[in-house]
Amino acid sequence: GQQLNQSPQSMFIQEGEDVSMNCTSSSIFNTWLWYKQEPGEGPVLLIALYKAGELTSNGRLTAQFGITRKDSFLNISASIPSDVGIYFCAGQPYNTDKLIFGTGTRLQVFP
Amino acid sequence: DAGVIQSPRHEVTEMGQEVTLRCKPISGHDYLFWYRQTMMRGLELLIYFNNNVPIDDSGMPEDRFSAKMPNASFSTLKIQPSEPRDSAVYFCASTSTSHSRHEQFFGPGTRLTVL
Repeated sequence: GQQLNQSPQSMFIQEGEDVSMNCTSSSIFNTWLWYKQEPGEGPVLLIALYKAGELTSNGRLTAQFGITRKDSFLNISASIPSDVGIYFCAGQPYNTDKLIFGTGTRLQVFP
Repeated sequence: DAGVIQSPRHEVTEMGQEVTLRCKPISGHDYLFWYRQTMMRGLELLIYFNNNVPIDDSGMPEDRFSAKMPNASFSTLKIQPSEPRDSAVYFCASTSTSHSRHEQFFGPGTRLTVL
């Protein structure tokens, strides 16, 4: 099935560092969402974006809906050990209720 | 509030056996999605329902897979006969039109191993 290009695939960072990851698509999307998945659990919604150019924050997390509607990024500031997990972007194409998921960014934070 | 409930959490079975995965969506949600997650293919949508009616089953891999939603609070995903390549984590997710139908809430998943 169709997937979004998400990068980087993995990140190994020191506690306190900032993190940035992004997703790109060849198609435009109506909605972008960012999820986090921890081992043995389902993905949990972090941020939802509905308008091109929209910048939304949730605590230390900030995400943006790209102007072209084909990309989105997620930033995590001052990372902490509990940020460890896999982060997925998801895009919702127009005229559909489906979500297309990115390939995920695995984040490891060292104290 | 209870989230999406899935059972069993783990299932180990032998090739050729029938497997039934169960899902209870969040109360009041009118959309239900079944996904499969593997290392190779990531998260794939298998099928989704709206108001208990299957809307899109284009992601169902083959006829061995079937899904039903007999009422608003219960859905099943059945694999018959199962094969080793069906080994994966299967997630159920739900959302509602009134909430924001794009913000899907996932269950904890069922880890299926077919020997």
